[in-house]
Amino acid sequence: ETGVTQTPRHLVMGMTNKKSLKCEQHLGHNAMYWYKQSAKKPLELMFVYNFKEQTENNSVPSRFSPECPNSSHLFLHLHTLQPEDSALYLCASSHGSNQPQHFGDGTRLSIL
Amino acid sequence: GESVGLHLPTLSVQEGDNSIINCAYSNSASDYFIWYKQESGKGPQFIIDIRSNMDKRQGQRVTVLLNKTVKHLSLQIAATQPGDSAVYFCAENPGYSTLTFGKGTMLLVSP
Repeated sequence: ETGVTQTPRHLVMGMTNKKSLKCEQHLGHNAMYWYKQSAKKPLELMFVYNFKEQTENNSVPSRFSPECPNSSHLFLHLHTLQPEDSALYLCASSHGSNQPQHFGDGTRLSIL
Repeated sequence: GESVGLHLPTLSVQEGDNSIINCAYSNSASDYFIWYKQESGKGPQFIIDIRSNMDKRQGQRVTVLLNKTVKHLSLQIAATQPGDSAVYFCAENPGYSTLTFGKGTMLLVSP
C-alpha cells in the first residue's frame, strides 16, 4: 500500500464519452500531481496542486480538466479524448516540492 | 546506463550479483534526486533520495551515489533478487516546483 489510491484501475471509453479519474491520498500531504505515462517516454507532468490550489498546468489540452476539492482528493475529468490520450495516468502526492512523491498504481486509459 | 531523453536500456544480471544503474542528469542547479522502482502494472515506488550536499546515501541493500562534477547519479543494489526486476528511473528537482524524470532502465534478474 502506497497510501495513494486511484480508481478506476482500467478505463475504456469512446472519444465522445465523459469520465472522471479519482485519486485519494491518506498520507497527510499538501501537494498532489497528475502525470501521464506513455510507453518508452518519461513521466509527463500534467497538473500540480498545493493546498487545493492549482500551481502548475503543463500546457495540457482543455479536454483534461482537474479538480481538487480538498488536500486529500484529486480528480481528472475527461471529455472528448483522442486516441493518442491512451496511456497510464498516475497520481502522486508529497509534502512539498523537495520531498519524495508517492504514487498510486494508476488508471490504464484506452480511447477507442 | 540511463540519460534523460534516451531509449530505455536494459541491464541483465544473475541472482546474487550486485547491480549498478546509472543516470546522467542535465541541470547543474538540481539539488534533490530520487530513485524510483516501477514494477509491471504498478505505479512508481520510492526507493531512496539524496540531496546535493551529500555524495552517498545508503538504504537497505541500496546505495545512491551522486557525482555533481559530472552530473551523474547511480543506484547500487546489493545481492540482487528476482523481485528486484523492474524499471528503475531517476528524478531530479532543478529548483522549480516539480521533479523531472528520466525514461528508466529495465533490470532483469535471472534465478
